[in-house]
Amino acid sequence: GENVEQHPSTLSVQEGDSAVIKCTYSDSASNYFPWYKQELGKGPQLIIDIRSNVGEKKDQRIAVTLNKTAKHFSLHITETQPEDSAVYFCALLGSARQLTFGSGTQLTVLP
Amino acid sequence: NAGVMQNPRHLVRRRGQEARLRCSPMKGHSHVYWYRQLPEEGLKFMVYLQKENIIDESGMPKERFSAEFPKEGPSILRIQQVVRGDSAAYFCASSPAPGSSYEQYFGPGTRLTVT
Repeated sequence: GENVEQHPSTLSVQEGDSAVIKCTYSDSASNYFPWYKQELGKGPQLIIDIRSNVGEKKDQRIAVTLNKTAKHFSLHITETQPEDSAVYFCALLGSARQLTFGSGTQLTVLP
Repeated sequence: NAGVMQNPRHLVRRRGQEARLRCSPMKGHSHVYWYRQLPEEGLKFMVYLQKENIIDESGMPKERFSAEFPKEGPSILRIQQVVRGDSAAYFCASSPAPGSSYEQYFGPGTRLTVT
């Protein structure tokens, strides 16, 4: 089955700096790669996604890049703010439409 | 424009009791997914349903767990004879019919504690 590895597991940055989270996967059939933000006690919130026919997508301070050949995709957050502090999960959509998630990255933005 | 709704938000059950978790998808969504999140871990897929049909239950434990999505009303995840290892957060997500969109939107979850 699909497997997704996510790094780092924890990440601390100073407010205003950039944060990068990376995921690698094994299933070459996947063609949809979402990122979710989960705050304490809440459900995952879809923040950005990318399909396999594009290499990069940007939405304000958030961007995602995808390298299908190398089977990895990354989340980039620029100009980080304290409210960006949360757990971030990468995921990919399997052939049966189930999402397989990475293990999560606890991002802490230090004021 | 209500999102995915789940209830109860918190549920406490003693070992051996039954737990029923409910999920109402977003308006216009006809597909529901259940995921389980153990403490300090990522989400794991359990089951994928559409109205009156289970599409994929490959992530469901073979015993004690069942799910349904009736023609009327919410989707139900049922856990019989709960054990301590069932303590987790259970999340429901919904999506439009396949072909129109891949996005899955999650509810706030039900946190099940088995004592």
